[in-house]
Amino acid sequence: QVQLQQSGPGLVKPSQTLSVTCAISGDSVSSNSAAWNWIRQSPSRGLEWLGRTYYRSKWFHEYALSVKSRMAINPDTSNNQFSLQLYSVTPEDTAVYYCAREISAGWDYWGQGTLVTVSS
Amino acid sequence: QSALTQPASVSGSPGQSITISCTGTSSDVGAYNYVSWYQHHPGKAPKLMIYEVTNRPSGVSNRFSGSKSGNTASLTISGLQAEDEADYYCSSFTTSTTWVFGGGSKLTVL
Repeated sequence: QVQLQQSGPGLVKPSQTLSVTCAISGDSVSSNSAAWNWIRQSPSRGLEWLGRTYYRSKWFHEYALSVKSRMAINPDTSNNQFSLQLYSVTPEDTAVYYCAREISAGWDYWGQGTLVTVSS
Repeated sequence: QSALTQPASVSGSPGQSITISCTGTSSDVGAYNYVSWYQHHPGKAPKLMIYEVTNRPSGVSNRFSGSKSGNTASLTISGLQAEDEADYYCSSFTTSTTWVFGGGSKLTVL
């Protein structure tokens, strides 16, 4: 059974960096068949795909155009987890952030969600 | 990448069938058979209901089915039940190797 456990602060100040980590159990961040995604949900924008990382003989990282210039996803093979960094946040980045496993073109396992509020 | 277009709300009575549409372009929905559907209850993580247009994950009721024609995908729920009331989102892979969601449809079971 795959489980994704998220951790990270719930409050970030404007212009600072939002950081959330997703610890994986029951699968590997280096899996050759899965991809590891970040998705957020807000009342105003619904679900929004942010980006993913995956390993296919080398690491790939893909990001939504809307956040590409200020986002990074980092896999951590030592701890079997991956993290999201979103730089220079504004109140519009306030959302529930989810990590999710992508396999067979669908997200089948999700983290519990982390509500991140951007406010001074 | 623009969001896929879904109706904001749909409704039906218990036992009836409803269909939610998801319209994209030839760069997303029309490009691949990589459309998935998610059920989202407030405060919970979304749940995968359909993947690769028509496939149901293990454990998902066969009352849920998916289809696609051209640039429009559809989710049909038959035999509506009160527990089906939720938000439903479609998603598609794109030719830019990114994913895009629909705006979501709120299903009300009358």
